[in-house]
Order: sequence, then structure tokens, then C-alpha cells
Amino acid sequence: EDQVTQSPEALRLQEGESSSLNCSYTVSGLRGLFWYRQDPGKGPEFLFTLYSAGEEKEKERLKATLTKKESFLHITAPKPEDSATYLCAVQAYSSGAGSYQLTFGKGTKLSVIP
Amino acid sequence: NAGVTQTPKFQVLKTGQSMTLQCAQDMNHNSMYWYRQDPGMGLRLIYYSASEGTTDKGEVPNGYNVSRLNKREFSLRLESAAPSQTSVYFCASSESAHLGYGYTFGSGTRLTVV
Repeated sequence: EDQVTQSPEALRLQEGESSSLNCSYTVSGLRGLFWYRQDPGKGPEFLFTLYSAGEEKEKERLKATLTKKESFLHITAPKPEDSATYLCAVQAYSSGAGSYQLTFGKGTKLSVIP
Repeated sequence: NAGVTQTPKFQVLKTGQSMTLQCAQDMNHNSMYWYRQDPGMGLRLIYYSASEGTTDKGEVPNGYNVSRLNKREFSLRLESAAPSQTSVYFCASSESAHLGYGYTFGSGTRLTVV
């Protein structure tokens, strides 16, 4: 069974204090790994897709990296507006469904304190 | 661009009542999805439609039905609501269910069944 585990569940940072969020996964035949940001009361907002080990993507203060077993979302010098829940999802082929499925982790709730 | 539009945003039902959640996308995407999000459970796939004219069960389909009305619209129906269906429901779309494209999510429907 495909599994996606995110850690920590919650993270409090001071403004400017860099850190990383982790997403570990066990899937067969990874097609892509996705990072989303979700604000309270809103739907997930797409951030990045990573397709192969060694790949990196950057957007403002965020940088996502991928290995064969996990992905990291590095946050450099965060600001209060970076406070949100960050979701990781992996897409892999499901033989039971006969198609590619997206499996989500439970998310990391990030709070950045001024 | 509207992206993915869900209606209604909030709904309260009594146990046993029925209702349909509506979803429409204006991005000419082929694939559409319905997820539910519960505290501590993450996003779970209810049903999806890989292309117009097809629908398939996801991880938690019991108690739900779906209709892919056309390429733009994908509705979710609760025939006899139960308290266990209290959740936040998200509709999403993507260019393809098979090629590792990111999903675009709507803003959600918050459903309470009493």
C-alpha cells in the first residue's frame, strides 16, 4: 500500500528562522511528487512537482528537493505570510484502480511568528 | 480565471437528507476528482473521472455517487446523508490523470450532517 508520511505535524518558527519539512514515501513507480500550500478555509494551492531523484525546484523562499525515499521543503528566512499547512502528495500507478492515483500526506502546519 | 468553482460553500443537512455538490472547471481539463478532508486524516479520494464519460471509485466511495455531466462539470451526490459524512469536500481537476500533472483545487464545501 502506498504511504506518505509528513513530519513534523506542526512547526513554529520565528520570522527569519530557516527550517525544513519532510515528506517520506513508499510507493512503486513514482510518477511525480507534489507540494501544496493550504490556507485555513481554502483549497490546496499547487507549489511544485518533482519527477526524479536529485531534482530541485525553487519559488521565492521555498525550495523542494527529492530523493528516492523522501522530499524536503526548505523554507529560507520565513515570513509570517508563509504560515499555512503544507501538503505533500505522491502520484503512482495503482494496479487495483488501473490508473495513476494521488496519495496525500496529512500535512505540516507551519506557523511563523513575527 | 475562475479555475475550479464549487457550490455551495457551506451546507447543513439532517441525517437521511440528500444533496448534490456541484463542481465546474474552466481550464479545459480532462480529469476531475472529488476529495474529502477530515482532521487528522488528510485528503482522501472519493471518486474521479479520468475523462468525459468515465467515472471510477477512489479510496472512500461508499455513500456517494458522481456524475460527469460534461467536460466542465463533475457533481457529487449524497443520497442519504450520515453524520460520518460531515467533512470538507474538495473538487479538483487536472489535464490528465495519467501524466503526472498537478491538480487545481476548488475552495471547498463545508458540509455538516446533524
